[in-house]
Amino acid sequence: DQQVKQNSPSLSVQEGRISILNCDYTNSMFDYFLWYKKYPAEGPTFLISISSIKDKNEDGRFTVFLNKSAKHLSLHIVPSQPGDSAVYFCAATVRRYSGFGNEKLTFGTGTRLTIIP
Amino acid sequence: GAGVSQSPRYKVAKRGQDVALRCDPISGHVSLFWYQQALGQGPEFLTYFQNEAQLDKSGLPSDRFFAERPEGSVSTLKIQRTQQEDSAVYLCASSRTSGAPREQYFGPGTRLTVT
Repeated sequence: DQQVKQNSPSLSVQEGRISILNCDYTNSMFDYFLWYKKYPAEGPTFLISISSIKDKNEDGRFTVFLNKSAKHLSLHIVPSQPGDSAVYFCAATVRRYSGFGNEKLTFGTGTRLTIIP
Repeated sequence: GAGVSQSPRYKVAKRGQDVALRCDPISGHVSLFWYQQALGQGPEFLTYFQNEAQLDKSGLPSDRFFAERPEGSVSTLKIQRTQQEDSAVYLCASSRTSGAPREQYFGPGTRLTVT
């Protein structure tokens, strides 16, 4: 049972354009969502996060949007740069009941983003 | 750098062998997580430590998997009698439990191949 889904295995975008990566979740208990970026032979690197009490969070070129009613979030990268080429993982957790910090993450299967120069 | 480190980076084991994978978390991080990432999948939670206490091992796939963090810093994930389905990348992550940021910082992983 995949609780976090990334239905697009890959995405190609022209440099300078907007990249939009999508993620859906089924568990309504999730209250905190994160995006991680992964290069080959490296571990995932935290990119941006959003709490369920917000619908948007922005950090430089990266913006995450959350639609709770649709159980959907998206990551926008504007403008896209060649260094953004990587695999992007959406992840979710339940923070409000995590007590002393067991915020175990549930990941999607990832979307490979390729930026075309 | 003061990131999470893991060793070995690559491990090839014959079926039936025992393996031990090491994780050095970021200094001062109380929380430590292990994840398993199969080919083409996202990481899946295995177990969680707060200091030396293993508070959640609900993700360990069988009793062949064992993890410890005896002094609350370095952790070891041990897999006994390895099977081919254990082939995966094993990721370690650490985080604070309070304050900001609380996001998990991942190591580069250990790629285990069981032949």
